[in-house]
Amino acid sequence: GAVVSQHPSWVICKSGTSVKIECRSLDFQATTMFWYRQFPKQSLMLMATSNEGSKATYEQGVEKDKFLINHASLTLSTLTVTSAHPEDSSFYICSASPGTLTNAEAFFGQGTRLTVV
Amino acid sequence: ELKVEQNPLFLSMQEGKNYTIYCNYSTTSDRLYWYRQDPGKSLESLFVLLSNGAVKQEGRLMASLDTKARLSTLHITAAVHDLSATYFCAVDINRDDKIIFGKGTRLHILP
Repeated sequence: GAVVSQHPSWVICKSGTSVKIECRSLDFQATTMFWYRQFPKQSLMLMATSNEGSKATYEQGVEKDKFLINHASLTLSTLTVTSAHPEDSSFYICSASPGTLTNAEAFFGQGTRLTVV
Repeated sequence: ELKVEQNPLFLSMQEGKNYTIYCNYSTTSDRLYWYRQDPGKSLESLFVLLSNGAVKQEGRLMASLDTKARLSTLHITAAVHDLSATYFCAVDINRDDKIIFGKGTRLHILP
């Protein structure tokens, strides 16, 4: 199947700093990518839709000024957690799909575990 | 607003037994997915169901989709310990790859 790669796999940062997470589609182009957040023992919550060349679309309750999304190319989306606080500590996962008629499957990155201290 | 409901949310069972996880969703869709997640890891795709009546099997797992009832099932046959994980169903209602997840079923199989 297609490959989606996230970097870094884990990161620890201090409160008040910003952290950037990258999501790359390695063998296909993706005009849209999606960012999810998962708290321990909970489900994945969709945060936003990353649109190549345009603004991201955020889900209700997600602060767009705090979670900055940039999708500058067809293979890369970045999520920047600005002014991070301990409550932002979570597992962040991105997804993308080749989007062909015969392949409706979304592929997920390996996730990034963010710990804010 | 799309709601995806799984049950049970937690299941502890003996090896060798059969069981079914149910996934109901509130809005018409013909794209349903099942994923497995191990602790600390990302998602592993198990099944992609794209039409009413679709049935797929892989090893001891079998998934089905009834779009009219808005119901999907994940059936486990003769469970083994290695199947212990959290299983998520997820739905794409607009065919735009925007996937909404159920709460997950934590499956614990006792040796």
